[in-house]
Amino acid sequence: SQKIEQNSEALNIQEGKTATLTCNYTNYSPAYLQWYRQDPGRGPVFLLLIRENEKEKRKERLKVTFDTTLKQSLFHITASQPADSATYLCALDKRQAGTALIFGKGTTLSVSS
Amino acid sequence: DAGITQSPRHKVTETGTPVTLRCHQTENHRYMYWYRQDPGHGLRLIHYSYGVKDTDKGEVSDGYSVSRSKTEDFLLTLESATSSQTSVYFCAISRENQPQHFGDGTRLSIL
Repeated sequence: SQKIEQNSEALNIQEGKTATLTCNYTNYSPAYLQWYRQDPGRGPVFLLLIRENEKEKRKERLKVTFDTTLKQSLFHITASQPADSATYLCALDKRQAGTALIFGKGTTLSVSS
Repeated sequence: DAGITQSPRHKVTETGTPVTLRCHQTENHRYMYWYRQDPGHGLRLIHYSYGVKDTDKGEVSDGYSVSRSKTEDFLLTLESATSSQTSVYFCAISRENQPQHFGDGTRLSIL
């Protein structure tokens, strides 16, 4: 069955450093991959989408890479700030009508000042 | 924020009672989804809808039913609630092949 793993439950870094989060998947070839941010008590918020034919996508301090050979996506936050502290979820499409997603369990990032 | 409203936001009920959660959108998006989120499991899809009266099952659909009689409303029903259905429930909406926008969830406790 399709499986997504975000290989760190928690990541602690210092302000100003680059945070790198990893998402690996198996038994699947998604058309695209998405990253979401979730704050406590709130629903996930979409951050970035990268398609299977794209290697890299950037948005302000965020960068996502997508390696379909390794079946892996990396999510980077440069010049991290305490306000970046949250849980980050990766999600894959299911290549079917409805664009239903399969989510990883998330990585909780804590940025200390 | 995308116009999504989930109601109620919190509910406590007893085992065996029926429960209906409502998701209302003002964005006219075709697709609507119900997820549950539990510690150690992440977000799991319960059911989704790809149009009025068109729904399909997700990975954890047992014990749940849904209805969508109009574009803006997607209802999730627990016919006879069990303690294992205690969870936080999220509704999401999207256009085809576009990112999903989530509501702020319903925290459901079944005693």
